[in-house]
Order: sequence, then C-alpha cells, then structure tokens
Amino acid sequence: AQKVTQAQTEISVVEKEDVTLDCVYETRDTTYYLFWYKQPPSGELVFLIRRNSFDEQNEISGRYSWNFQKSTSSFNFTITASQVVDSAVYFCALSEAPGGGADGLTFGKGTHLIIQP
Amino acid sequence: EPEVTQTPSHQVTQMGQEVILRCVPISNHLYFYWYRQILGQKVEFLVSFYNNEISEKSEIFDDQFSVERPDGSNFTLKIRSTKLEDSAMYFCASSERTPSGSTDTQYFGPGTRLTVL
Repeated sequence: AQKVTQAQTEISVVEKEDVTLDCVYETRDTTYYLFWYKQPPSGELVFLIRRNSFDEQNEISGRYSWNFQKSTSSFNFTITASQVVDSAVYFCALSEAPGGGADGLTFGKGTHLIIQP
Repeated sequence: EPEVTQTPSHQVTQMGQEVILRCVPISNHLYFYWYRQILGQKVEFLVSFYNNEISEKSEIFDDQFSVERPDGSNFTLKIRSTKLEDSAMYFCASSERTPSGSTDTQYFGPGTRLTVL
C-alpha cells in the first residue's frame, strides 16, 4: 500500500524567509511518481511538479525547489524568499503512474503554510 | 489555457436527497477522476473512469455513488441519498493518455463544496 506523510501540520514564517516542507513516502512499487499540489485559500488544487522515481535530480523553478532523496524516501519542497501569496496548504502526493493511473493519487494530509507580512 | 470546470461551486442539500455534481474535463483528456476532501483533511481518491467505464474505485465509493459520462463533455458524480458525512469538497480531475498508454499529470477542477443538512 502507498502512504504519504507530511509531518508538519502548519508552518508559519515571516515574509522573505526560506521554508522547507517535508514529504516522506512509502511504496512497494519500483516505479512511482511524486507530486506537489498547492491549495490556496480559494480552494482549488494547483499542480506544481511531478517527479518520477528514476530521476533524482533536484529541480528549481524560480523561488521553488524540490529535493528528491530516494535513500530516505523523501521529496521535500523549499520556497526561497517566501511571499504572502505563497500562503496555502501544500499537498504531496504519490502514484504508480505518471498521472495517478487507475488508482488515482495518494495524498498526504497537507502542510498549511502561513507567510506573515 | 484549458481547464477543468465544475458546477455548482456550492451545493446545499437535505439529508436523504440525491445530488449530481458536474464536471467538464479538459477536452482531449481521456481519464477522469473524482476525489473528496472533508474539511481540513486530506484529499481522498474516490473513482477513476476511462473508456466509458469505471477503472478503479476506493472503499469510500459505495453503492450510494455513481459516475457517468452522459455526453462528450460532461462527467458527473451522483450521490443517491446523501448523508451528513458526505459533506465535503468534491474535486474532479482529468488527464491525458501518454503514448505508452498510461495516464499523464492530473489537472483538478476548482471543486464543488457539498453541504448536507
């Protein structure tokens, strides 16, 4: 069975600070995919990134970066120089297929990130 | 940019009533999903749909639930006799089919908030 653990329920930082959101996953699949989604206060789910288990290269997109460590089964997300607009709930998710496959995505419980001005 | 749309944004119903939640997936997508998020909790997979039939369903998706693609654009979730515990945000998602025949990244709609009184 697949499982995603986001141990940080809520994080509060002051604007411009860097912040890292942790994600630890469990799966028996040798091929799997990891995702991050953002849920702003308006409620929609916004896709941020997808990584497959073959590619452990870290990825950077503007102020966002992702650190995939297969050895520790972690896929952490760092926001550099945080901004108030980054305030949201962030979900890490896992699947056996690039898009979730027939079984859909397995989500973690989410981390509520609060950026204070 | 194409997006998944859902109607209504908010549905209030009395316990025992039937509700139909509607989704219009992205037009060239072939895989469709419904997820549920009870307030403050994680997003949970309900059902996946491909080629006009259910591919997989979770244990949450019991006989009270059904899905349908009544025409070429809509994808619906019906709850036959709503219960208080059905109150949640319901997300529709869709994804393309990759050249290898798997699913690609899921894109989510804005959600329908269902309130059962």
